[in-house]
Amino acid sequence: ETGVTQSPTHLIKTRGQQVTLRCSSQSGHNTVSWYQQALGQGPQFIFQYYREEENGRGNFPPRFSGLQFPNYSSELNVNALELDDSALYLCASSLEGQAYEQYFGPGTRLTVT
Amino acid sequence: DAKTTQPTSMDCAEGRAANLPCNHSTISGNEYVYWYRQIHSQGPQYIIHGLKNNETNEMASLIITEDRKSSTLILPHATLRDTAVYYCIVLTQGGSEKLVFGKGMKLTVNP
Repeated sequence: ETGVTQSPTHLIKTRGQQVTLRCSSQSGHNTVSWYQQALGQGPQFIFQYYREEENGRGNFPPRFSGLQFPNYSSELNVNALELDDSALYLCASSLEGQAYEQYFGPGTRLTVT
Repeated sequence: DAKTTQPTSMDCAEGRAANLPCNHSTISGNEYVYWYRQIHSQGPQYIIHGLKNNETNEMASLIITEDRKSSTLILPHATLRDTAVYYCIVLTQGGSEKLVFGKGMKLTVNP
């Protein structure tokens, strides 16, 4: 059974640029959630995707957007990057109806300069 | 906002039981208590959850008080690998479950 994987591991971008982060969910999991974790803080919910549709969103601006593909993998896109977007971005997958038990990937460390 | 409060940090000796407290005084009847932990440089890991009865699995035990306003996660024989930030979360099952993490509690297991 393959766990949740994320790419890239690390990324450095300049303010104003756009970034795409990728996530492959655990085998059989059809729900994907994305979280942002600033240094020293707990993860903050960005949004969740289920059956390729957004299924809940946290307090993040529209420049944070996502996609889920038929194979349940997912992308997080952030436009017009700001310095405060520097964080660890975590992807988590779960089974339908069991999004309370989420399996997290190792995260992508994004640095915006 | 997180609905739970935890101490900022705690130390425990290797091989001893680690008892991690959590207060959730505003928990409602249909909310479960979940525990996750995050080892340095990794994503959070699910540990255990419960509604009102005590629960045990291969990782830990969860003791929930009768009034459900607090709970304790017990690691029966802490090892150095249990050093992590532990998050206590309350959540209603069903629908779009989003995990609301607070700052958690840093457990350091000392040799």
